[in-house]
Amino acid sequence: NAGVMQNPRHLVRRRGQEARLRCSPMKGHSHVYWYRQLPEEGLKFMVYLQKENIIDESGMPKERFSAEFPKEGPSILRIQQVVRGDSAAYFCATSRDSTNTGELFFGEGSRLTVL
Amino acid sequence: AQSVSQHNHHVILSEAASLELGCNYSYGGTVNLFWYVQYPGQHLQLLLKYFSGDPLVKGIKGFEAEFIKSKFSFNLRKPSVQWSDTAEYFCAVNSGNYQLIWGAGTKLIIKP
Repeated sequence: NAGVMQNPRHLVRRRGQEARLRCSPMKGHSHVYWYRQLPEEGLKFMVYLQKENIIDESGMPKERFSAEFPKEGPSILRIQQVVRGDSAAYFCATSRDSTNTGELFFGEGSRLTVL
Repeated sequence: AQSVSQHNHHVILSEAASLELGCNYSYGGTVNLFWYVQYPGQHLQLLLKYFSGDPLVKGIKGFEAEFIKSKFSFNLRKPSVQWSDTAEYFCAVNSGNYQLIWGAGTKLIIKP
């Protein structure tokens, strides 16, 4: 399942800068889920997207965070004006359809460090 | 609100020891249950899952888990661990939709 590609794997930003995290789904997958893992915590759902649509962003902070999944290209999670509390691992998972089976395919994660 | 609790954050075992990792969830309705594993430097991958039927579920690499509804538990077991089982293990639950609720994970270290 090396198909879900996330980049960068590691990203260092200073407070106030922007972070952009990318996720390319597995071939044939059109559903993307972003999760955040804070240190010593479990993954927390952030947002669920299909091509060109945000289906559920209930887990995403209202300010500074945005996500998109354009018709062409990867899904992007964007964090503006990063703060130290944004330091975390951000995981992308994809599925072929809107699955309730939990059978998600994950990328290796992007680890954001905010100095 | 749903939550998932994994009792041990770190477990250290010697090779050939038996393993049991605890997972409890809080939700009164029908649930789907999962264990995911993340080996060092790799992505999360599904180890096993339970939707319905036999509450004893067999997964990959000799792992199994037992769903005990009365205890709201889904503990992961392996009779004899190997050094290659060193990884982080996550229990997750959903109630029939796409939103997985995750435990905090258990880091398992197997001493050779």
